[in-house]
Amino acid sequence: DAGVIQSPRHEVTEMGQEVTLRCKPISGHDYLFWYRQTMMRGLELLIYFNNNVPIDDSGMPEDRFSAKMPNASFSTLKIQPSEPRDSAVYFCASRTGGGNYGYTFGSGTRLTVV
Amino acid sequence: RKEVEQDPGPFNVPEGATVAFNCTYSNSASQSFFWYRQDCRKEPKLLMSVYSSGNEDGRFTAQLNRASQYISLLIRDSKLSDSATYLCVVKQREYGNKLVFGAGTILRVKS
Repeated sequence: DAGVIQSPRHEVTEMGQEVTLRCKPISGHDYLFWYRQTMMRGLELLIYFNNNVPIDDSGMPEDRFSAKMPNASFSTLKIQPSEPRDSAVYFCASRTGGGNYGYTFGSGTRLTVV
Repeated sequence: RKEVEQDPGPFNVPEGATVAFNCTYSNSASQSFFWYRQDCRKEPKLLMSVYSSGNEDGRFTAQLNRASQYISLLIRDSKLSDSATYLCVVKQREYGNKLVFGAGTILRVKS
């Protein structure tokens, strides 16, 4: 099993540019989560999907952020336009429904907006 | 008040020591509990689930006190490789499958 795969691993972009982060969950996992981690705020849930449908997007900071899951094996998180305060590590995680199981996280995308 | 609170540390301990971390959660309807470990510049990884009766995995013991809304992790015979940030994690029934993470406790094991 390849695990949760995120790309790119690192992204440096200029303020105002569009940024797209990508995630491939573990095959068979029907929940997908996007988290953001900063020193100040720790791990924050941005949005999660169940069977490709967004369930809770209350953590999305503002309209500049959007996420999609067009099929069971792919999701994107887009920031447009990006701002320096968006600099963080963005993690994608997936899990199966039911049971007392935790998530499996991807390696993360380290985003720097200059 | 934060939903999940942890002492940020750092806890600096010698190899072989026993160290305990505590965590409190605010929502009494919380359903499932976990400890995750996160190494520097890496993703969080599930260390162990926490069950009401308490559970052990090798040198690691986790306990849950629902009445006090308190979770603990005990590490015996600390190894250098145990140095990491330990995240207390709670799943709340009314929020579906969302996990809420504490800010983490830093452990540094020194030779």
